[in-house]
Amino acid sequence: NAGVTQTPKFQVLKTGQSMTLQCAQDMNHEYMSWYRQDPGMGLRLIHYSVGAGITDQGEVPNGYNVSRSTTEDFPLRLLSAAPSQTSVYFCASSGGGPFDEQFFGPGTRLTVL
Amino acid sequence: GDSVTQMEGPVTLSEEAFLTINCTYTATGYPSLFWYVQYPGEGLQLLLKATKADDKGSNKGFEATYRKETTSFHLEKGSVQVSDSAVYFCALSRAGAGSYQLTFGKGTKLSVIP
Repeated sequence: NAGVTQTPKFQVLKTGQSMTLQCAQDMNHEYMSWYRQDPGMGLRLIHYSVGAGITDQGEVPNGYNVSRSTTEDFPLRLLSAAPSQTSVYFCASSGGGPFDEQFFGPGTRLTVL
Repeated sequence: GDSVTQMEGPVTLSEEAFLTINCTYTATGYPSLFWYVQYPGEGLQLLLKATKADDKGSNKGFEATYRKETTSFHLEKGSVQVSDSAVYFCALSRAGAGSYQLTFGKGTKLSVIP
């Protein structure tokens, strides 16, 4: 099992560009989530999904879109990148929702110039 | 809303020293509590968890006890090793009003020197 995979590992964007961060898991987990990690801020929840076709906003959803068409995939879209979105992004999945162990991907380091 | 407060870091200890990282929380009801660890350049991984008051989570020599009376979940280890150098995150999750969220503290960086 690959667990949770994220692509790309690194990305540099210019202000206003759009892109999609990919996340996939092979554990058949219903619950998936996206976090951003900033120095001194811990992890903040962007969006989450409790199953295919169901998504909801977390603490910091502005500027990001998600969709969940399959159990395996949960892409995060940046609509118009801004320097404030420079961060490390982590995807996570869990078989038991937020009350159970979260399995994290290796992260994507995004820089917006 | 829910919140988690961890002691400020960084924390620097000598090998074999005793470790305590304080964590307190604010949440209504009965949250589940977690400690996650992040090694350099990696994602987070679960270290231990507790789901009800007075539960003790333990793993790899680390322990934490769910204290509802003090709303705390302090992480302890009797003798740290260089390999324990990492960032430690306290977190909580709570079911309520359709919420399915996990709330993290800001993290505490631990450095263990030989």
